[in-house]
Amino acid sequence: KAGVTQTPRYLIKTRGQQVTLSCSPISGHRSVSWYQQTPGQGLQFLFEYFSETQRNKGNFPGRFSGRQFSNSRSEMNVSTLELGDSALYLCASSGQGLQETQYFGPGTRLLVL
Amino acid sequence: GESVGLHLPTLSVQEGDNSIINCAYSNSASDYFIWYKQESGKGPQFIIDIRSNMDKRQGQRVTVLLNKTVKHLSLQIAATQPGDSAVYFCAENISGTYKYIFGTGTRLKVLA
Repeated sequence: KAGVTQTPRYLIKTRGQQVTLSCSPISGHRSVSWYQQTPGQGLQFLFEYFSETQRNKGNFPGRFSGRQFSNSRSEMNVSTLELGDSALYLCASSGQGLQETQYFGPGTRLLVL
Repeated sequence: GESVGLHLPTLSVQEGDNSIINCAYSNSASDYFIWYKQESGKGPQFIIDIRSNMDKRQGQRVTVLLNKTVKHLSLQIAATQPGDSAVYFCAENISGTYKYIFGTGTRLKVLA
């Protein structure tokens, strides 16, 4: 079974721009969660989608948004980029129930200049 | 804010010795815990999990211990190998939610 895939792997943007990241879950997984990873804050939960609906949300500003498509693929968007948005953005997929193990993709490394 | 109390210390272990990585979690409503391993340039990789109705769970060369009384979790790696060098995270899931809280990780260095 193929693992979680994320594209692009690396991205450089400037302040004020917006960015869209993509995640394809493991086949059969319908839940997709997004995390931001920085050296100082560790892994911070952004949001989780299931069946095209956001089920859970972390404490990030509205500039961070996401969506999920009918094939469970997910995208996250960050508008009006700030320098502090530079991070590794990780996507994890899992089955539909509570306490299903999350499997991570390799991440997208975003650098905001 | 919410946190799993794991800073990013470095644990250096001689190859062949056992490693113990500790984690203190803060939410008493958490009842499912996972340990992940993250190598440089990669996403976190699932190692082992444990539910709150258990105190101990063993995998291949790894054991997770859960002490709910003091909200403490540990990962033991037997006969540590160079390939075990990575950052290790514990994560907690709050009962009834789909949300996971991660610590900042511990870096394990295996000395040859």
